[in-house]
Amino acid sequence: NAGVTQTPKFRILKIGQSMTLQCTQDMNHNYMYWYRQDPGMGLKLIYYSVGAGITDKGEVPNGYNVSRSTTEDFPLRLELAAPSQTSVYFCASSTSGTGGEGNTIYFGEGSWLTVV
Amino acid sequence: AQSVTQLGSHVSVSEGALVLLRCNYSSSVPPYLFWYVQYPNQGLQLLLKYTSAATLVKGINGFEAEFKKSETSFHLTKPSAHMSDAAEYFCAVRNNYGQNFVFGPGTRLSVLP
Repeated sequence: NAGVTQTPKFRILKIGQSMTLQCTQDMNHNYMYWYRQDPGMGLKLIYYSVGAGITDKGEVPNGYNVSRSTTEDFPLRLELAAPSQTSVYFCASSTSGTGGEGNTIYFGEGSWLTVV
Repeated sequence: AQSVTQLGSHVSVSEGALVLLRCNYSSSVPPYLFWYVQYPNQGLQLLLKYTSAATLVKGINGFEAEFKKSETSFHLTKPSAHMSDAAEYFCAVRNNYGQNFVFGPGTRLSVLP
């Protein structure tokens, strides 16, 4: 009953370092998303993917990269980490369908990232 | 373009009192609407969703929401607040073309004893 799994849960990075947040889902969802959550700002979409091999920018993509080589996995890469990237990151997935039980987005537990 | 506004970033109610969390949306097409709840240090969980069936939607934990097209609203209510309801609540919209979910800024609910 895994759903959406993201790792690591906590990480401290130094300015200029790079890292990858891993995300995998076992629900065979074709849509996957990365959001960041900052206090009082709600969720901002970083990147999303509508299927393997297809990715697109969201609202706040600068400083991040993604890839989608399989249906299950959607890693988020931070290049040259900056303090502004200190945030909580959520991976999520959904089906493309808009009807019935398919129209729901499922979230991972979150990854707390601090850049110092 | 879709957008969601939530009136009140922080709402406090007494235990046993009515909970009312407001959500208004803008969408150029009939929307799908959602309420999600986030407990401290956790991900978001679906409370309820409107998908063009009944306009009054019942969700988990005694919450319900009513879709009012004329007011472009989808307010969340619960008749009697419980201490365990303290959390952050997010309203979200997805348009009819199955594209991205757009989330509101969230409302933090505090329940006072």
